[in-house]
Parts: sequence; structure tokens; C-alpha cells
Amino acid sequence: DIQMTQSPSTLSASVGDRVTITCRASQSISSWLAWYQHKPGKAPKLLIYKASSSQGGVPSRFSGSGSGTEFTLTISSLQPDDSATYYCQQHDSYPLTFGGGTKVEIK
Amino acid sequence: EVQLVESGGGFVQPGGSLRLSCVASGFTFSTYTMGWVRQAPGKGLKWVSSLSGGGGSTFYADSVKGRFTISRDNSKNTLYLQLHSLTAEDTAVYYCAKVGAEWEVFDSWGQGSLVTVST
Repeated sequence: DIQMTQSPSTLSASVGDRVTITCRASQSISSWLAWYQHKPGKAPKLLIYKASSSQGGVPSRFSGSGSGTEFTLTISSLQPDDSATYYCQQHDSYPLTFGGGTKVEIK
Repeated sequence: EVQLVESGGGFVQPGGSLRLSCVASGFTFSTYTMGWVRQAPGKGLKWVSSLSGGGGSTFYADSVKGRFTISRDNSKNTLYLQLHSLTAEDTAVYYCAKVGAEWEVFDSWGQGSLVTVST
């Protein structure tokens, strides 16, 4: 199975800050990586797929990059509504696997 | 607008069974692969199972293989997950999710259905 490791597990930043979350795969997954935003009590929301393709309707401050085993999700200017847990997911092969999550808090 | 509404969760004793349902609307249900993802209390998201649009291909996480069965009724726009031999480790919110244009990327999710396995 492909293991997905996210870092950091939590981060606290101020409104307007640039925030970067890292996701590492235990083997190469080419660009088959997605990012989701999840708020408590809500349905997860797809942000990015195929490492850097933005899902329709997602604010432009969210961007993804990377390939092979190392990927990043960047929020260019953190907003209060961005407080959530973010997960990466490899969509290269079964079993599908998610990272452990990164909780983003607003200072 | 895509809508996915889960039901069927609840409290069940260890060793028991439960069936979750997910009613879909807003898209041509039979065209899309569907899946289940769960989140145990205080934990992250874990993929459980996926099923192709026509129902011919099923995929399971090792932790549920042989105990859970995914199925669908395209005439009713409904996805199911039959859970058997439940243990406390199966306690979680179970999300129904739709795969979009990209292989095994979940572009729409339901609000989730809580399954609690306890004595």
C-alpha cells in the first residue's frame, strides 16, 4: 500500500499569511494526488486533483504542486474561512490512501 | 446540483450488522463510480470501498474485505454499504462520495452517517 505522510499535523497562522502543507508518498505516484478541505460536521470538499488542477469554484488562493513523491498545497493569503483540516489523497492505485491531515488554525 | 444523502447509521453491538444507504441526485448516477470513506472519532479520512457505475467492479480496503459489501441500485439512484461482523474499530462517520472525471478523485461528498459499535 502507498503510505501518505503529511506535515505539519497542525499549524497556526494569521490572516493574510502564506501557508504551505506538505504531503509525501512512500513511492512515486506521478501526479495522481488530490487535496481536500474538511470542516467539522461538514462534507469534505475537493480543492485540487492531479497535483495542480483546481476544482471548479475553488478560490484562486489555493494551489497545488509537486510530482513523484513530494507535493505541496499552498494557500497564498490565509482567510478566516480557511480554518479546517486538509487531507491529501493518492489516486494512483488501490487501496486509495489519505494523509493523516493538517489542521489549520487562525491566530 | 449534486446531492448525496446518507442514512442507516446508528448504534449496533459488536458482531452486529447494519446497512447504509446513500441517495444521489443532480447527476446521472449510473455513469459514475461511487465510494465510501470513513472517519473514526478524532482520526483522519480512510477509504473503505468503491464501486463502478455499472456495478461490475468492486474494490475494498483490506480492513473491511469479507465483512462489508458495496452495491448500488441505479434504478433508485442509491448506493449501499452492508456492514457485517462489526467491531469497535468500525465506529466512524461514513461518507458517501462520487468520483468525478478524474480517476478515483471524490468530487462530491455527503454529510455522513454515524455508525457506533459498542456494548
